[in-house]
Amino acid sequence: QQQVKQSPQSLIVQKGGISIINCAYENTAFDYFPWYQQFPGKGPALLIAIRPDVSEKKEGRFTISFNKSAKQFSLHIMDSQPGDSATYFCAANYGQNFVFGPGTRLSVLP
Amino acid sequence: GAGVSQTPSNKVTEKGKYVELRCDPISGHTALYWYRQSLGQGPEFLIYFQGTGAADDSGLPNDRFFAVRPEGSVSTLKIQRTERGDSAVYLCASSLTGAGAGYEQYFGPGTRLTVT
Repeated sequence: QQQVKQSPQSLIVQKGGISIINCAYENTAFDYFPWYQQFPGKGPALLIAIRPDVSEKKEGRFTISFNKSAKQFSLHIMDSQPGDSATYFCAANYGQNFVFGPGTRLSVLP
Repeated sequence: GAGVSQTPSNKVTEKGKYVELRCDPISGHTALYWYRQSLGQGPEFLIYFQGTGAADDSGLPNDRFFAVRPEGSVSTLKIQRTERGDSAVYLCASSLTGAGAGYEQYFGPGTRLTVT
């Protein structure tokens, strides 16, 4: 019940394309869903986050779509750039409990 | 301002040895977290401090792992009798407050531990 599933494991997108990463959770106690971006040799950095009372949140080229009934959420990166190449983690949180997905390695080709 | 710092950045030790990993959180952050990240995986929660006390240590895998934060700032993760399976990147994160959801965690760059 604590697991957060994430797919795909890896993703290759052409510059300017749309990158889509999907996550699913089981525990309905989760009430905060952040996405993190991690570059090699660095710690994860918060990218964008959503609470379950909204179905979508957009910040620049990054959008989270949230489906509470399906217990799924996804990250969309519009106009993907080579600088977006990194590993992306979804997470689910309640209280002090953060559960991370296994990550998606995104490569954006120039 | 300075972010979360962790030392050492890399640590190689022999099986059975004792290691200490240090985390310096962002000044003023009361909440501090330790995570372990194995290759190709997401961070896995180990322990959470609110101030000086360990509010949740449910993620520590066994009694070889211990962490302290004696003055409510710097924290040290201690691993006794290291095993090869302990090899991973150990991440520290801090947050202004641990109360409620929606607060941002700031991660350090991690310490890569290799047990030979």
